[in-house]
Amino acid sequence: DGGITQSPKYLFRKEGQNVTLSCEQNLNHDAMYWYRQDPGQGLRLIYYSQIVNDFQKGDIAEGYSVSREKKESFPLTVTSAQKNPTAFYLCASSPDLTGGYTFGSGTRLTVV
Amino acid sequence: AQKITQTQPGMFVQEKEAVTLDCTYDTSDQSYGLFWYKQPSSGEMIFLIYQGSYDEQNATEGRYSLNFQKARKSANLVISASQLGDSAMYFCAMRERDYGQNFVFGPGTRLSVLP
Repeated sequence: DGGITQSPKYLFRKEGQNVTLSCEQNLNHDAMYWYRQDPGQGLRLIYYSQIVNDFQKGDIAEGYSVSREKKESFPLTVTSAQKNPTAFYLCASSPDLTGGYTFGSGTRLTVV
Repeated sequence: AQKITQTQPGMFVQEKEAVTLDCTYDTSDQSYGLFWYKQPSSGEMIFLIYQGSYDEQNATEGRYSLNFQKARKSANLVISASQLGDSAMYFCAMRERDYGQNFVFGPGTRLSVLP
């Protein structure tokens, strides 16, 4: 079955460490996205990518980095520069910039 | 300014009754799409229904329908015959060209279905 796989489901990080969240899709979608969700709130766009080797900052890109070396993969690195990284992170993809999103099941990151 | 407003942080509905979740939006684009997603406690986002700005008829998908009033910029979700499994967060979202075709989400409404 086609879909988006995010791993790990739960992640704990010590302050000052970088951590990378995985997002893989087998839907052959061109566009991929990373969103952050804080408790009781909506989703905010971190980064998005329309095609391989290209990505754009979203509304809250500071403290995050991404890469898009393969169509299927769009990993997100939460760097030590991100002041408040504890949140739920959702990856999504769409066939192009006009199609609806398919979401992964999310990664819950906690800084300890 | 808020592009998507959902004024109901929480809603309760009796099982088997209908419920309307409100959504208003703000855009100067003529062409845009409106979406509703459901987020159960497990966290995944489930697509429910889509309405294009040029669609003349209200969208329907099973028990879900979208009450689209373009002049009022509202896109309310109607769930008929509520079930216990409908208890979740519901997000209204919009896609417009001005925002690079990226989605902007509302703050969500938590729906609780009572037995």
